[in-house]
Amino acid sequence: GAVVSQHPSWVICKSGTSVKIECRSLDFQATTMFWYRQFPKQSLMLMATSNEGSKATYEQGVEKDKFLINHASLTLSTLTVTSAHPEDSSFYICSAPSRGELFFGEGSRLTVL
Amino acid sequence: ILNVEQSPQSLHVQEGDSTNFTCSFPSSNFYALHWYRWETAKSPEALFVMTLNGDEKKKGRISATLNTKEGYSYLYIKGSQPEDSATYLCAFNKNSGYSTLTFGKGTMLLVSP
Repeated sequence: GAVVSQHPSWVICKSGTSVKIECRSLDFQATTMFWYRQFPKQSLMLMATSNEGSKATYEQGVEKDKFLINHASLTLSTLTVTSAHPEDSSFYICSAPSRGELFFGEGSRLTVL
Repeated sequence: ILNVEQSPQSLHVQEGDSTNFTCSFPSSNFYALHWYRWETAKSPEALFVMTLNGDEKKKGRISATLNTKEGYSYLYIKGSQPEDSATYLCAFNKNSGYSTLTFGKGTMLLVSP
């Protein structure tokens, strides 16, 4: 199957700093990628759909100025959490569709101190 | 907000036991039901995509059934092995786009040797 790689796996940062998470499709091209967030004991919640070469589509309640998404190439989408605060601490995971299936990255655990 | 419920929340069985868990979803506007297997520190991996009422799918010792009229799907594991230990996610889709996937919270399975 296709492979999606996500980095970093975990990151700790100070409140007020920005953190970038990368999501790469290693062996296929992805015009669309999806970013999710999962809080403890909750389900994966879609934050935004990343579109190659155009603006991301954000879900209701997700601040686009806080969660910056860039999808500049067919194999890379990035999520930048700007001015992170402790309430942004969560598990972030990306996915990309290929040949009728959805392939996920390994996820990134963000802890904001 | 669509409700996708999974039960039980967690399950602990002995090697060799057979087990099953449930995913319930809205019975209206059904397009597809996905099952994923998610091992700790790895990417969620697609098990089945089910679209037709009465569908039964099988992959090795794992099988799934679908009842779209009453809004539930069962996942069965026959003769559980320690390597089956993972979180099993289901996700409901009301159309063909992945941005409308709604995930359950998952069932965490632990198989002891």
